[in-house]
Amino acid sequence: GAGVSQTPSNKVTEKGKYVELRCDPISGHTALYWYRQSLGQGPEFLIYFQGTGAADDSGLPNDRFFAVRPEGSVSTLKIQRTERGDSAVYLCASSPTLVVGAGELFFGEGSRLTVL
Amino acid sequence: DQQVKQNSPSLSVQEGRISILNCDYTNSMFDYFLWYKKYPAEGPTFLISISSIKDKNEDGRFTVFLNKSAKHLSLHIVPSQPGDSAVYFCAARGQTGANNLFFGTGTRLTVIP
Repeated sequence: GAGVSQTPSNKVTEKGKYVELRCDPISGHTALYWYRQSLGQGPEFLIYFQGTGAADDSGLPNDRFFAVRPEGSVSTLKIQRTERGDSAVYLCASSPTLVVGAGELFFGEGSRLTVL
Repeated sequence: DQQVKQNSPSLSVQEGRISILNCDYTNSMFDYFLWYKKYPAEGPTFLISISSIKDKNEDGRFTVFLNKSAKHLSLHIVPSQPGDSAVYFCAARGQTGANNLFFGTGTRLTVIP
């Protein structure tokens, strides 16, 4: 497809379980971002990749959250020992340039995570 | 600590009239501002942006105004159309070259036919 693809679109899990969320960016986009949107809030920055490396992971809330992009394309956000407070929509975005403003972000539809 | 604020959670406007969505920010280091539009079950899509060196940017029916001294920006949509009904997010870039955006909480616009 032409847009950013995220899977699964919906994930329900139990507290304490491990979860992986996948993002397939637009082909050729160098920059990839993960954001989290909690109910009633705007998207909140988590992590940003330039190619394969995490250039800025300052938004990750704690060490239960980890993201990889091993080949510079698809990225996986991994959440260990999930907690109810992790319930949110996790948005992935990609950009053809490395600096926001030179090229705006293209968002996927998000993965809605519900932790029971 | 919310650095970008949208104090109106919702707005209703008659078709054909002007919609004005407001956004305030607290960080004077923000240098680039964007508006995103979001339909249900879709990701946000970029709408319009403005650099801090400008005070106005226009694109068709959409105009963004920036008042740096007041740390305020607004999005004007005129004339409003029913298809404009969506949630609008204001976002700001932290500093030149920074790659994370700070988003507001959004304003749900409803354009009544």
